[in-house]
Amino acid sequence: QVQLKESGPGLVQPSQTLSLTCTVSGFSLTSYSVHWVRQHSGKSLEWMGRMWSDGDTSYNSAFTSRLSISRDTSKSQVFLKMNSLQTEDTGTYYCARSAEGPYYWYFDFWGPGTMVTVSS
Amino acid sequence: DTVLTQSPALAVSPGERVTISCRASESVSTGMHWYQQKPGQQPKLLIYGASNLESGVPARFSGSGSGTDFTLTIDPVEADDTATYFCQQSWNDPYTFGAGTKLELK
Repeated sequence: QVQLKESGPGLVQPSQTLSLTCTVSGFSLTSYSVHWVRQHSGKSLEWMGRMWSDGDTSYNSAFTSRLSISRDTSKSQVFLKMNSLQTEDTGTYYCARSAEGPYYWYFDFWGPGTMVTVSS
Repeated sequence: DTVLTQSPALAVSPGERVTISCRASESVSTGMHWYQQKPGQQPKLLIYGASNLESGVPARFSGSGSGTDFTLTIDPVEADDTATYFCQQSWNDPYTFGAGTKLELK
């Protein structure tokens, strides 16, 4: 069955770089896009960026200057790297798969999320 | 960015019908989707393309709307529906979510 799972350090110091891994199973990264979404504690969700099935990437302009998404298809993994972290980057980070409709797409499977705290 | 506005909270009794609204600041056609999130869990897809029920989701859930005004309906509400419900649009870049509507049962 389709599964996604995020992993990474729970604690990052301010100004440092966050590195997260999303490991997927039950589908191919060359057939589906994978996105990163974050959620501040108890608050709304924020789309960060996307790894397309063809290897291209798209980013929310709010993060463009410090966010990078890449992948290793042989390991079924998608990576997030974000630099210059600040305390406001504290939150839960999710990876999610998107499915395509006729003119839209939507998140049909999500990982359980990984909590990241930015603190010294 | 497309802003999605949801009412913050609702309280209903089991067995009642509840409608949760989501208004977009600009048209998103039918690129609107609904998710349910329970505490400590990831969001779960309920409705995609404004009105299509995701496989495995009870038929008590339904969605409607197009353009800027959308509604998620739960009829009848059950105790297990206590959760926060988010709308999300994928029509305009960047893709945005509403702030969520917290549904509580009386």
